[in-house]
Amino acid sequence: DQQVKQNSPSLSVQEGRISILNCDYTNSMFDYFLWYKKYPAEGPTFLISISSIKDKNEDGRFTVFLNKSAKHLSLHIVPSQPGDSAVYFCAASEVWGNTPLVFGKGTRLSVIA
Amino acid sequence: DAGITQSPRHKVTETGTPVTLRCHQTENHRYMYWYRQDPGHGLRLIHYSYGVKDTDKGEVSDGYSVSRSKTEDFLLTLESATSSQTSVYFCAISESWVSSTDTQYFGPGTRLTVL
Repeated sequence: DQQVKQNSPSLSVQEGRISILNCDYTNSMFDYFLWYKKYPAEGPTFLISISSIKDKNEDGRFTVFLNKSAKHLSLHIVPSQPGDSAVYFCAASEVWGNTPLVFGKGTRLSVIA
Repeated sequence: DAGITQSPRHKVTETGTPVTLRCHQTENHRYMYWYRQDPGHGLRLIHYSYGVKDTDKGEVSDGYSVSRSKTEDFLLTLESATSSQTSVYFCAISESWVSSTDTQYFGPGTRLTVL
């Protein structure tokens, strides 16, 4: 049973425009959420995170929004750049629980120049 | 970049043979993890370790075993490789259990092909 879902396998966006990547979760006990970015032939790298006590977290061009009632989070990239083209993984955990990170299947973002 | 290396980086083997993948860290982090990445499945946890000789199963542990005799090394063994274990394997480390002040750092991956 998939606890973290990224329903869009791929997304194409024009350079300079906004990229919005979505993630849904089913486990109401999740209280910490992360986004990882992965380039081909490399390991994933941490991008940004958000705790369930917040509804927004910003880091430069990257903003993550959390809607706990809808069990939904999104990653906004503004403006999108060709170097942002990668696979983005959403992950979730129970900080005070006993379960490791649970990852979604990933969304491949292509930023077109 | 976190000091994580994986060896080998690429391996082709035959069904039924044993295979061991090695993860080595220089960060002295307590937690180490093995994931596999497959198209349509994302990253799935195989096993993890929370200290020397302390390991636990992840989501897809069948057919895999692990060992951690030193803080810096975490070995993943396929006792008898099958074609369904063809995948890219990633090792990750973290200083603490998942928290708002820590995250996992991933190695470069090992591409394993089982013929």
